Amino acid sequence: SQQGEEDPQALSIQEGENATMNCSYKTSINNLQWYRQNSGRGLVHLILIRSNEREKHSGRLRVTLDTSKKSSSLLITASRAADTASYFCAIRRQAGTALIFGKGTTLSVSS
Amino acid sequence: DADVTQTPRNRITKTGKRIMLECSQTKGHDRMYWYRQDPGLGLQLIYYSFDVKDINKGEISDGYSVSRQAQAKFSLSLESAIPNQTALYFCATSDATSQVPEQFFGPGTRLTVL
Repeated sequence: SQQGEEDPQALSIQEGENATMNCSYKTSINNLQWYRQNSGRGLVHLILIRSNEREKHSGRLRVTLDTSKKSSSLLITASRAADTASYFCAIRRQAGTALIFGKGTTLSVSS
Repeated sequence: DADVTQTPRNRITKTGKRIMLECSQTKGHDRMYWYRQDPGLGLQLIYYSFDVKDINKGEISDGYSVSRQAQAKFSLSLESAIPNQTALYFCATSDATSQVPEQFFGPGTRLTVL
């Protein structure tokens, strides 16, 4: 499979802690994106990182990309109960191709 | 109003029935996608269309067909539904000209095949 694989499958933390999720993939990519899904609802785009980028920030989100290891990580700092959701990485192998999603990490943040 | 809408939102049907799921968008995007989501398996791409005359198979197209009736409409059909097609189905769109080629998702259709 060429899809991204997230790790861990599930993560439980306390409010205020940081949450780190990892994504590994098998092919070369054009870009990698992270999405969030609240229970049973549609996915919402969080952040995109291109293959020539190593790190990007958006608010409390920090994404890194290591193309030599074919891996990415999503860090959510100072987590809140409202961050409870599933998080998916998605890879685009080449410009103009469809996104391929991983299986997701389920994050639970308790207050 | 939602930019990407899906109808129906929920559907229960029987094995062997033909089912059509519809997706409409008001975002003016040229690209549309159908995914299915099963618990623990993430999203799997069924079909995608980069414009009205372009249809492409995804990872799991067997048992499904699609129709791109217009730029704004993309329908998914199950010709003869079977129980293992019970899943949550999502439509998504994207803009080929965007600098950030993100996908915008509809709210999903929960399909149960008995």
